[in-house]
Amino acid sequence: GQNIDQPTEMTATEGAIVQINCTYQTSGFNGLFWYQQHAGEAPTFLSYNVLDGLEEKGRFSSFLSRSKGYSYLLLKELQMKDSASYLCAVRDMAGGFKTIFGAGTRLFVKA
Amino acid sequence: DGGITQSPKYLFRKEGQNVTLSCEQNLNHDAMYWYRQDPGQGLRLIYYSQIVNDFQKGDIAEGYSVSREKKESFPLTVTSAQKNPTAFYLCASSLTRTPSTDTQYFGPGTRLTVL
Repeated sequence: GQNIDQPTEMTATEGAIVQINCTYQTSGFNGLFWYQQHAGEAPTFLSYNVLDGLEEKGRFSSFLSRSKGYSYLLLKELQMKDSASYLCAVRDMAGGFKTIFGAGTRLFVKA
Repeated sequence: DGGITQSPKYLFRKEGQNVTLSCEQNLNHDAMYWYRQDPGQGLRLIYYSQIVNDFQKGDIAEGYSVSREKKESFPLTVTSAQKNPTAFYLCASSLTRTPSTDTQYFGPGTRLTVL
């Protein structure tokens, strides 16, 4: 079957670093996405990993280990505007390349 | 500006009424999707379309219908058969349905409340 797990909520301090973990189980893994979603708004694309390793994009980095079914999103130099939900999504070749979304991790950044 | 638009942002309907949610994109994307988002749950796929005049059921298609008469438009009808229609509905599109180009981009969403 398909399953994506990520923590429900996290709290971090402005200026700090936070790591949001995601574990997944799929029949035919074919890529992992991270999206940011502010309350009541659309998810916006942050990153895409299909090979093992770290992808860095400014203050955000995303890591993938396919053998462990594991990814994390690393946010550096946290800002108040980073308070949002972060959605982990996995593309699965089974059933026609569907993208399966996790429930999201709500990040609260405090001063 | 290119993008995906959904209207309206908020929608209220009485129980038993059908309602149609609009989704338009000018990104020249082939594929379009409808998701439903409920508190504490991931996005769930309702319907998707890879090409004009063709669409496929997602995981929770019961009580919903769609059409894809134009590349730019993918309206979703929530019918009276949908048992729990109150939710946040998100439309998305991607360039094509092939793996290398199917990063999905989302519209602003429509929050439907059935009274």
